Amino acid sequence: EVKLVESGGGLVQPGRSLKLSCAASGFSFNHYWMGWVRQAPGKGLEWIGEINQDSSAINYTPSLKDKFTISRDNAQNTLYLQMNRLVSDDTAIYYCARAEWAFDYWGQGVMVTVSS
Amino acid sequence: DIQLTQSPSTLPASLGERVTISCRTSQSISYSLNWYQQKPDGTVKRLIYSTSTLQSGVPSRFSGSGSGTDYSLSISSLESEDFAVYYCLQYATYPHTFGAGTKLELK
Repeated sequence: EVKLVESGGGLVQPGRSLKLSCAASGFSFNHYWMGWVRQAPGKGLEWIGEINQDSSAINYTPSLKDKFTISRDNAQNTLYLQMNRLVSDDTAIYYCARAEWAFDYWGQGVMVTVSS
Repeated sequence: DIQLTQSPSTLPASLGERVTISCRTSQSISYSLNWYQQKPDGTVKRLIYSTSTLQSGVPSRFSGSGSGTDYSLSISSLESEDFAVYYCLQYATYPHTFGAGTKLELK
């Protein structure tokens, strides 16, 4: 069974950084692209970006390219999202997902709240 | 970026009814479109990929069609568990983009 579990969320002050993790199990992690999606409270889904199997290709939505960094550790079956210079508009649920014909399996999401 | 326009934004419907949700893209995406269902608890599930291929385990009452810039998701006979929010996603070009969502609600 494919399982994706996000962690690392919580309350963070504006201007600070936060790193999310996504633990994958139930499939060969190093065979798949992986990615992140977020959803602000009461809003729709926003595609953040994707990373390929060996981290040689990473694509971001342009508005987040200079603030967010996607990485992975295939030995640990873990996907990461490093988020810098956080502002209130970054308050959202963050989902990790496996990318097969775009996103097929999703995690349950983790809440990030940016507030002083 | 490719823009996706979903309609309607809200769809009141009754049990057993057939409904259709539309997703129009700002440029041709050559069938590179998926449909997702999001339940109130936040759980997201893929229903359809590559325009019309049913995800394994998804009931056959769900179907997708379309081409070029016009795509749609149909549910043939609504059941209680189908009331949720539905999103389309294009993956023809980066950045991938979602539609704004359609909330299917009980009439």
